[in-house]
Amino acid sequence: GESVGLHLPTLSVQEGDNSIINCAYSNSASDYFIWYKQESGKGPQFIIDIRSNMDKRQGQRVTVLLNKTVKHLSLQIAATQPGDSAVYFCAEVGGSQFYFGTGTSLTVIP
Amino acid sequence: DTGVSQNPRHKITKRGQNVTFRCDPISEHNRLYWYRQTLGQGPEFLTYFQNEAQLEKSRLLSDRFSAERPKGSFSTLEIQRTEQGDSAMYLCASSSTQAKKLFFGSGTQLSVL
Repeated sequence: GESVGLHLPTLSVQEGDNSIINCAYSNSASDYFIWYKQESGKGPQFIIDIRSNMDKRQGQRVTVLLNKTVKHLSLQIAATQPGDSAVYFCAEVGGSQFYFGTGTSLTVIP
Repeated sequence: DTGVSQNPRHKITKRGQNVTFRCDPISEHNRLYWYRQTLGQGPEFLTYFQNEAQLEKSRLLSDRFSAERPKGSFSTLEIQRTEQGDSAMYLCASSSTQAKKLFFGSGTQLSVL
């Protein structure tokens, strides 16, 4: 199977600060990457995606950066809010398969 | 709400019993996936369907697990002779062939006593 891992299992940030969640992937042939947010008792929710031919993509308050040289993916959340508290997963996509990392638990301190 | 629907939300069973979960995907999605998730871990792939065809199963999937999608719409996941190690959240997700985004249901939390 594929190996998708996260550098930090937990992250605490002050409300209003920016958050950065990192992810390492192993398959250089993966052509698509996705970040998901999972709140307690719920299924993962799509946040943002990026194709392998891009190195940056921006959404509303979120930015994903892709560094294919070192096989690294990051999710930046601007002006973090209490509602951002959740577990965040990166997933790499190869063909029709999605491979998920362990996840980072983000806690926003009011 | 036309998202992915899973039933039941929670299931408590005794070891050795059989359980069956249902997933109703987003109606226009032809791909359906089953994942298992334990606390602190990411979703682990179990199997996936394209229409009614089961195209791939995880090599880690015990033969006690079986999934069906008889008409290419809803799917069921059955676990026979449950074991305590089967306790987990079972997630269903769907996607279309064109878009690679997976849409997840809220999952079925299984507890085997």
